[in-house]
Amino acid sequence: SAVISQKPSRDICQRGTSLTIQCQVDSQVTMMFWYRQQPGQSLTLIATANQGSEATYESGFVIDKFPISRPNLTFSTLTVSNMSPEDSSIYLCSVETADYEQYFGPGTRLTVT
Amino acid sequence: GQQVMQIPQYQHVQEGEDFTTYCNSSTTLSNIQWYKQRPGGHPVFLIQLVKSGEVKKQKRLTFQFGEAKKNSSLHITATQTTDVGTYFCAGINFNKFYFGSGTKLNVKP
Repeated sequence: SAVISQKPSRDICQRGTSLTIQCQVDSQVTMMFWYRQQPGQSLTLIATANQGSEATYESGFVIDKFPISRPNLTFSTLTVSNMSPEDSSIYLCSVETADYEQYFGPGTRLTVT
Repeated sequence: GQQVMQIPQYQHVQEGEDFTTYCNSSTTLSNIQWYKQRPGGHPVFLIQLVKSGEVKKQKRLTFQFGEAKKNSSLHITATQTTDVGTYFCAGINFNKFYFGSGTKLNVKP
């Protein structure tokens, strides 16, 4: 298993601004993921963050809007840029173990006004 | 593209009743996983099934993987209020995860 922390846990931001979410893992992992979850909805994968290479984005998500950093095997950041109310959501990071099990962080609840 | 459907969307049961959620994939999966998300919480890994026809049990929870590896089910026997939450399946194919839409379980005491 893995223990994951995320900061901030929640934030209220004005439209047009940017927010960077941090994800810290208690052990070295190869695969880290960033998801978005609307209340009551399923998980939507934004991108896969790999250490030492650029993130791989899913259809509908672009680097200019959601830049990701992965400076080492225990840390990643996701930035939500030029925010609009449609970006209001819960953002979750997760890590994948060698057995393909995913462990999720507690999430960041973002509200854009 | 790959799709993973989950039914029902909601289920309300009386405490002590059984509960089942079903997961169906449009294509054959290599593995399937189940997660539980409590209200206000994050998804928590429950189990992974790998083999065709596999059945695994965790106390009152029984997980099955279909023979064709395209469907799966989670059955809870004699639900308790602690079972409240949303249960997600996640199909895995070519190292990609495809999360189902989730089944929200409410248990009335």
